[in-house]
Amino acid sequence: KAGVTQTPRYLIKTRGQQVTLSCSPISGHRSVSWYQQTPGQGLQFLFEYFSETQRNKGNFPGRFSGRQFSNSRSEMNVSTLELGDSALYLCASSPYSISYEQYFGPGTRLTVT
Amino acid sequence: QQQVKQSPQSLIVQKGGISIINCAYENTAFDYFPWYQQFPGKGPALLIAIRPDVSEKKEGRFTISFNKSAKQFSLHIMDSQPGDSATYFCAASDGGSQGNLIFGKGTKLSVKP
Repeated sequence: KAGVTQTPRYLIKTRGQQVTLSCSPISGHRSVSWYQQTPGQGLQFLFEYFSETQRNKGNFPGRFSGRQFSNSRSEMNVSTLELGDSALYLCASSPYSISYEQYFGPGTRLTVT
Repeated sequence: QQQVKQSPQSLIVQKGGISIINCAYENTAFDYFPWYQQFPGKGPALLIAIRPDVSEKKEGRFTISFNKSAKQFSLHIMDSQPGDSATYFCAASDGGSQGNLIFGKGTKLSVKP
């Protein structure tokens, strides 16, 4: 089975722009979660989707949003980028409605200049 | 407030030695405790996980020890190898109301040949 894929792998944006990241979960997985990883804050939960519904949201500003499509693929969007948004954005998928076992993709490295 | 505290931040072990990483949690509702291994440029990979109804789980050279009363759990890597050099993260989840993973800050392990 193919793993979680994320596109693009690397991205450079300018402050004030917006960005959309994409995640394709493992085939058959219906839960998708997004995490932000930075050296200072570590891995922090952004939000989780199951069957196209956001079930859980972390403590991030409204500039961070996401959605899930009927094929379980997910996108996250960050509007009005700030320098502090530079991070590795990780997507994880789970086969269960309760997301215990989560399998991560390689991440998208976002640099905001 | 950090809900999962991980120590040490970094660890150097000789080849063949035992690597031990410790984590402590606060939320007694947590009922799933995974460990992830992350290599540079890659996403975290699920290594091994435990639930609080068992005190120990072993998979190959990796063992989780769990102490429910002390709210602590640890990862032991037996016969450590240079290929084990990576960053290790402990995490916790309650699966239900908060299905997301709460991660420790990570331990960078270096195994010297």
